[in-house]
Amino acid sequence: EIVLTQSPATLSLSPGERATLSCRASQSVSGYLAWYQQKPGQAPRLLIYETSNRATGIPARFSGSGSGTDFALTISNLEPEDFAVYYCQQRRTWPLTFGGGTKVEIK
Amino acid sequence: EVQLVESGGGLIQPGGSLRLSCAASGFTVSTNYMSWVRQAPGKGLEWVSCLYGDGSAFYADSVKGRFTISRDNSENTLFLQMNTLRAEDTAVYYCAGATPGTFFQHWGQGTLVTVSS
Repeated sequence: EIVLTQSPATLSLSPGERATLSCRASQSVSGYLAWYQQKPGQAPRLLIYETSNRATGIPARFSGSGSGTDFALTISNLEPEDFAVYYCQQRRTWPLTFGGGTKVEIK
Repeated sequence: EVQLVESGGGLIQPGGSLRLSCAASGFTVSTNYMSWVRQAPGKGLEWVSCLYGDGSAFYADSVKGRFTISRDNSENTLFLQMNTLRAEDTAVYYCAGATPGTFFQHWGQGTLVTVSS
């Protein structure tokens, strides 16, 4: 099983700042990595797929990067609606696995 | 517009059974990858099971042998039969859909399953 470790667990930032979230895999996921955003009481929403591709309707301030085992989600210029929990997920091998999440909170 | 609507959750005693349903519209269950993902209260996301268009099914080790994923093509509905339920199965269960070879673009609103005596 591929274990995804996200860091930090919590990120305290102010609107307008830049957020950088990390996701590290226990073995290579060959770029088959996605990022989701989840707000309280809501289902997750796909933001980024295959490491760096924005899903339909996702603003350009969200970007993904990385390769192999180290990946990052960057949110430039945080908007009030961006404060949420973010999860990475791999589909390289079964079982599909998610990271533990990073909460981006208002400082 | 794609809609996935889950139902069937509720309170069930340990050892009991429950069947969840996910009615899809705007997205064909039989030709896409359909999964169940759960989230225990206050915890992260955990993938549970996936059903391919060709009928291949995959399960997390934590539910293998107890849960069965299936579908009704005529009703465009996905199911999750959950047997021998345990307290640790308590979670919101989401239905998620993906076009083959991609990630979960579509999610339902979730249905809560509580396993408790």
